[in-house]
Amino acid sequence: DTGVSQNPRHKITKRGQNVTFRCDPISEHNRLYWYRQTLGQGPEFLTYFQNEAQLEKSRLLSDRFSAERPKGSFSTLEIQRTEQGDSAMYLCASSPSTGGEAFFGQGTRLTVV
Amino acid sequence: AQSVSQHNHHVILSEAASLELGCNYSYGGTVNLFWYVQYPGQHLQLLLKYFSGDPLVKGIKGFEAEFIKSKFSFNLRKPSVQWSDTAEYFCAVIPPLNNNDMRFGAGTRLTVKP
Repeated sequence: DTGVSQNPRHKITKRGQNVTFRCDPISEHNRLYWYRQTLGQGPEFLTYFQNEAQLEKSRLLSDRFSAERPKGSFSTLEIQRTEQGDSAMYLCASSPSTGGEAFFGQGTRLTVV
Repeated sequence: AQSVSQHNHHVILSEAASLELGCNYSYGGTVNLFWYVQYPGQHLQLLLKYFSGDPLVKGIKGFEAEFIKSKFSFNLRKPSVQWSDTAEYFCAVIPPLNNNDMRFGAGTRLTVKP
């Protein structure tokens, strides 16, 4: 499968713990996006990378959230000191060009208990 | 606030019925428009997109959408739905002057009864 891959698929964590998710985009795509989706809502933009540079962050991304894409390939999203409100599906997408179609992974479902 | 609106939260149809799902956006200027579908347990997949040109766009699986600039709308249509079209459908917009932020509507859940 050469699509966008996300790991893990599911994560259950206790409140206050740190979690890290990984996204492997389609290999030739230089753009990578993170979204969050809660029940009954569409995906909400969190942040965006072009190659290794993080070019935009949403106001939704609090100081507890950090994302990296160190070599311009895979990306990680870390949430520190998780809260119950962080429970959501975290989606990664990649695209080859500005304004173009984004290809989505299957997401990581986070449950904070 | 600027947004993407999908008016129908849940639509239930019988097989062979015609489908129209509404999508309106509130951004002025030139936008890029998309419809994505999410089948149960699967990732979001692109159905169709509009960047410019013919405002009637044809996508996969018999879906089409019409961009009406004066109405800020991009409604999705299919003349005859199948049970396999049961899924969640999301309208998305890339606003003008911001190619990094695809804004999604809240989605419409379509249930097709066999």
